[in-house]
Order: sequence, then structure tokens, then C-alpha cells
Amino acid sequence: ETVLTQSPGTLSLSPGERATLSCRATQSVGSNYLAWYQQKPGQAPRLLIYGASSRATGIPDRFSGSGSGTDFTLTISRLEPEDFAVFYCQQYGSSPTFGQGTRLDI
Amino acid sequence: QVQLQESGPGLVKPSQTLSLTCTVSGASIRSGGYFWSWIRQHPVKGLEWIGYIHYSGSTYYNPSLKSLVTISVDTSENQFSLRLSSVTAADTAVYYCARMDWNYYFFDSWGQGTLVTVSS
Repeated sequence: ETVLTQSPGTLSLSPGERATLSCRATQSVGSNYLAWYQQKPGQAPRLLIYGASSRATGIPDRFSGSGSGTDFTLTISRLEPEDFAVFYCQQYGSSPTFGQGTRLDI
Repeated sequence: QVQLQESGPGLVKPSQTLSLTCTVSGASIRSGGYFWSWIRQHPVKGLEWIGYIHYSGSTYYNPSLKSLVTISVDTSENQFSLRLSSVTAADTAVYYCARMDWNYYFFDSWGQGTLVTVSS
């Protein structure tokens, strides 16, 4: 099973700042098979990025994804107040697994 | 726009079987290109994929849960269901149904989730 480790565990930033979230895999992940989600309290996760770098429908262009192999990054270029939440990466190798999450706090 | 809605008991006794149904609206389960999935979220352990089903009935389960899980589909009702047997307190979680893209294997639509507590 491929384990995903996200860092940092918590990131404290202010609106307008840039956020960089990391996701590292224990085995190489095909770039097509890495996704990022945002989850707010009491809500289901929402798809942000698929295929490592493709934005899902309706996702603002301040969200971008990059990376390949075992190292992937989600970048939020200029934080808006509504962006503060928990973010998860997810891969599909032999079966889907999720990272433990990064909490983005104001 | 596709919508998914979980339904089922919120409380299950230890050793019994957890049963949930996901009703899909706004799209047909028979539409190509998707698997229909169950995922759970533990307060501490985070998100765990349980398994998925294709409308044809083919399934794939998380190897760690395979012996306890059954996912089935009812295309006439546009629903799919989860059964998890021999539950323990460790199965207490929020259970989500979700649609999975079969090319890139991401989850693009989720239900709102339902909390299932295992307790006597």
C-alpha cells in the first residue's frame, strides 16, 4: 500500500499570503493518479486538483498543483478567507489512499 | 449536476452488520466512465477508501476490509449499497458515498456523509 505523508501538519497564514502544501508518497505515483481535496468543517471533501495539476470544474486559478514521482505540491497563490480548511492528497496505485491532511489556519 | 445522498441507521450494535444506501440523482449510475464508491472518515485515522462498484456489478474492495465488505448496485433505483459485517467500535466513522472517475481515479462528487456509531 502506498502511504502518503502530508506536511506541514498545520500551516498558519494570513489572507493574501501564499500557501505551499506538500504530499510525499512511499512509492512512485503516476502523475495521472494524484488528487487534492479541500474539506471544511461539517462538509464532505471537495475535489480541487486531479492528475496532479488539472483544476477541477469551478476551482479558482489561485489553486495549482505540481509534482511527479513521490513528491507533489498544492499551491494557493493568494489566500482568500474562504480557503482556510483541511487539505488532503489522494493517490491511486493498486487502491486509493489518502494523506493525513494539512490544516490551513488563519 | 450529480448529487449523492447516504441513508441508513446511525447506530449499530457491535458484531452486527452496518448497512447504508447511496441514492444518486442528476445522473445515471449506468453512465459510463465512473465507479461508485464508499469512503469513511474516522475522527483520528482520517479518510479510508472502502471499495467501489461498477454498474455492471464488478467490485473492488480495500484489501484490509475485503472479508467484511459487500457493495451492491440497484440500477433500477439508481442506488448502490454498502454492507460491513461484524462491526466494532473502530468502525465508528462518517461514511461517504462518492463517484470515482475511472480514468484518473479521483472522487469528483461526494454525498454529505452520515455518521454511524457502533455502540451497544
